Amino acid sequence: EAGVVQSPRYKIIEKKQPVAFWCNPISGHNTLYWYLQNLGQGPELLIRYENEEAVDDSQLPKDRFSAERLKGVDSTLKIQPAELGDSAVYLCASSLGLYRATNNEQFFGPGTRLTVL
Amino acid sequence: GQQVMQIPQYQHVQEGEDFTTYCNSSTTLSNIQWYKQRPGGHPVFLIQLVKSGEVKKQKRLTFQFGEAKKNSSLHITATQTTDVGTYFCAGLSSYDKVIFGPGTSLSVIP
Repeated sequence: EAGVVQSPRYKIIEKKQPVAFWCNPISGHNTLYWYLQNLGQGPELLIRYENEEAVDDSQLPKDRFSAERLKGVDSTLKIQPAELGDSAVYLCASSLGLYRATNNEQFFGPGTRLTVL
Repeated sequence: GQQVMQIPQYQHVQEGEDFTTYCNSSTTLSNIQWYKQRPGGHPVFLIQLVKSGEVKKQKRLTFQFGEAKKNSSLHITATQTTDVGTYFCAGLSSYDKVIFGPGTSLSVIP
């Protein structure tokens, strides 16, 4: 079974440029998460989808960040315009479903390391 | 807002020594998960605890969930070099918020 796929793995851009990250979750996983992880810190949730619905985007800086999961499968996270402080690893994770009592472990992709110059 | 804290931030142990990391939430949790992240890697799920006072074991790892469902611990017996990494707890609040702790970085000296 393929794991969570993310692309690109690395991205270097200049500030004020746009950037987009793509995530393909594990087949059959209803819940998809986007996290931001700074060096030496824990993942910080940006947005959580249940199928195609964004059910928790309270930590997403909506002035510059946007996300979509149109068909409830893969997802795109966009930053426009990027700022120096956006340099971080962007992790995508998926799980069968947040509300399941069991088997709702999150499977993480390898992440996209963004460097904003 | 809700916070999840972990202590210690760093732990250096001699191979064979025991290791414990503690996770504390400011609010009651529905469940708690533990993840391990190797240097340069991504978080990998270890276990989930749901019930108050629950204790689970995986070989040398013992996980506990507090009676009040606000704290948890991970204990490793007789550490090995393969245990190196950062251990994160992740709590699910009653408001369906997923919050990761800042992690405990474990170094094992051979």
